[in-house]
Amino acid sequence: EAQVTQNPRYLITVTGKKLTVTCSQNMNHEYMSWYRQDPGLGLRQIYYSMNVEVTDKGDVPEGYKVSRKEKRNFPLILESPSPNQTSLYFCASSPLGSWTTGVSSYNEQFFGPGTRLTVL
Amino acid sequence: QQQVKQSPQSLIVQKGGISIINCAYENTAFDYFPWYQQFPGKGPALLIAIRPDVSEKKEGRFTISFNKSAKQFSLHIMDSQPGDSATYFCAARQGGGADGLTFGKGTHLIIQP
Repeated sequence: EAQVTQNPRYLITVTGKKLTVTCSQNMNHEYMSWYRQDPGLGLRQIYYSMNVEVTDKGDVPEGYKVSRKEKRNFPLILESPSPNQTSLYFCASSPLGSWTTGVSSYNEQFFGPGTRLTVL
Repeated sequence: QQQVKQSPQSLIVQKGGISIINCAYENTAFDYFPWYQQFPGKGPALLIAIRPDVSEKKEGRFTISFNKSAKQFSLHIMDSQPGDSATYFCAARQGGGADGLTFGKGTHLIIQP
């Protein structure tokens, strides 16, 4: 089954304790991204990656790190979590857009099930 | 700066009615406008998407209307059903080779039986 998986699904931690949220996709997608979802704020992009070893900041990257050593995995790292990082996190993946071929299309971003993180 | 403004924040519609959610944007570089549907405890899933050179796209009971000059687009759900109750997000994709999506803040839709 084509899917994006995230682990853990729920996590309660304390301020300053490093944590990693894993994300894996089995669709051979080049593009992967992390979003956080907060009430009244919608989804905001944290980091994204357009291919292995290529990552870039999204709209709210402060306090987060990512790596893309393999095509299928895109972990989100919180080196020193703080309470304002309490949120619902989603990983997403998609093929790259096909505008390079001159054909415009929209490639669906497939979202994982989410990780609910609480930082005390 | 919020680049995609979505309204209303919440919406209650009677079964069989039409649900309408509106979005507006400023950045003319956006090249695709998808709508995502999210059920509780799940990740968002693509519902329908439109390009800015098309004024309307219909898939079943779901229609996107797009007004390029006004920089507005909307989702219409015809014959709304209780199973349509979910949170809906409009989004806009950055053009120029990037796949990043800018989302609206979401609309919590409730269809009353």
